[in-house]
Amino acid sequence: GQNIDQPTEMTATEGAIVQINCTYQTSGFNGLFWYQQHAGEAPTFLSYNVLDGLEEKGRFSSFLSRSKGYSYLLLKELQMKDSASYLCAVQDSNYQLIWGAGTKLIIKP
Amino acid sequence: IAGITQAPTSQILAAGRRMTLRCTQDMRHNAMYWYRQDLGLGLRLIHYSNTAGTTGKGEVPDGYSVSRANTDDFPLTLASAVPSQTSVYFCASSPNSGSQETQYFGPGTRLLVL
Repeated sequence: GQNIDQPTEMTATEGAIVQINCTYQTSGFNGLFWYQQHAGEAPTFLSYNVLDGLEEKGRFSSFLSRSKGYSYLLLKELQMKDSASYLCAVQDSNYQLIWGAGTKLIIKP
Repeated sequence: IAGITQAPTSQILAAGRRMTLRCTQDMRHNAMYWYRQDLGLGLRLIHYSNTAGTTGKGEVPDGYSVSRANTDDFPLTLASAVPSQTSVYFCASSPNSGSQETQYFGPGTRLLVL
């Protein structure tokens, strides 16, 4: 079967760095997406990885290791507005997205 | 530019009633999707459409139907609602249906079936 695993909840301090991990087992792989979802709102796109390595976008970076079925999202210089759920999704061989349940990130001052 | 709109924002529905959730996008995207989101679970694909005039079944299609008469609109119909269909429903679209295509989401419809 297809499976995406992420921690349910994480807590971090404002100004710090946090790493949110995602492991996956899917039928085929055509890329991995990270989305941010604030409570009561729609998911919004953060990053996309298809090759191994690190993609950096400002305070957010995403890493992929295809051989390990592993990705992480790194958030630097945390701000209170980063409190949200972070969703990992893998595009399978049919180009459909398989979604993890999301990681709720709580930022404390 | 509105992006993707969904209607209604929320709805309370009696079991057994028929309901259509509306989704409209103005980005001229070819591909559209319907997901449901339940607490503790990832987004689950209900139905999708790769282009106007075509539709396909996702992971959880039972009890739902869709149509794609034109590029902009992708309504989702619950023929006879049941309590297990209580969920938040998101419509999404992407330029095309292939690799690397980012999906953009509407604001969601919160549905309670009693």
